[in-house]
Amino acid sequence: DTAVSQTPKYLVTQMGNDKSIKCEQNLGHDTMYWYKQDSKKFLKIMFSYNNKELIINETVPNRFSPKSPDKAHLNLHINSLELGDSAVYFCASSRRLAPPEETQYFGPGTRLLVL
Amino acid sequence: AQKVTQAQTEISVVEKEDVTLDCVYETRDTTYYLFWYKQPPSGELVFLIRRNSFDEQNEISGRYSWNFQKSTSSFNFTITASQVVDSAVYFCALSSPNTGGFKTIFGAGTRLFVKA
Repeated sequence: DTAVSQTPKYLVTQMGNDKSIKCEQNLGHDTMYWYKQDSKKFLKIMFSYNNKELIINETVPNRFSPKSPDKAHLNLHINSLELGDSAVYFCASSRRLAPPEETQYFGPGTRLLVL
Repeated sequence: AQKVTQAQTEISVVEKEDVTLDCVYETRDTTYYLFWYKQPPSGELVFLIRRNSFDEQNEISGRYSWNFQKSTSSFNFTITASQVVDSAVYFCALSSPNTGGFKTIFGAGTRLFVKA
């Protein structure tokens, strides 16, 4: 029933580890996104994919690598985790990429804590 | 440059009070879209409304209303007779062809506390 789902919901890990967050949408949307929300609640886009093709890569360190095996899934893999990576990561989807009025629907978020 | 400013960091009201959350945006585009999202304490982001730049009609949905004024580049959100369940962080957002690859730019959010 969930439109945009993410796993895991919480992730606690040590510095230097590699971890992945998974996102799936069952809305039939073409476009998916990853956002990072910092401790001050500021939301910033990281990536967007349209039909499995990378569209936006918002100057994110290359330790972050998104992968879209199909248009319903967009996973985020993070290598060599750092303390500053601690944040809430939101996945979102929209029906299509353009025009820009397309509403984005968000997943529940993954709370990542790097110790 | 594209920008969304939510100058109110936190607002605290008592239940049943009306409250207005301000949103001021900057864009050079003539076609753009504005959004409001709600983030309750549980953390998810909930879509509330979308408005395009050609439609300046105010919108009302139950206790929620939105006032879009292009002359002042504002898209303010009013909650009438606030309730404790309205306590959340509210984000205003802007999307336009020139937000750089169809990005949606979010304001910093306004945290609303509604006390019983």
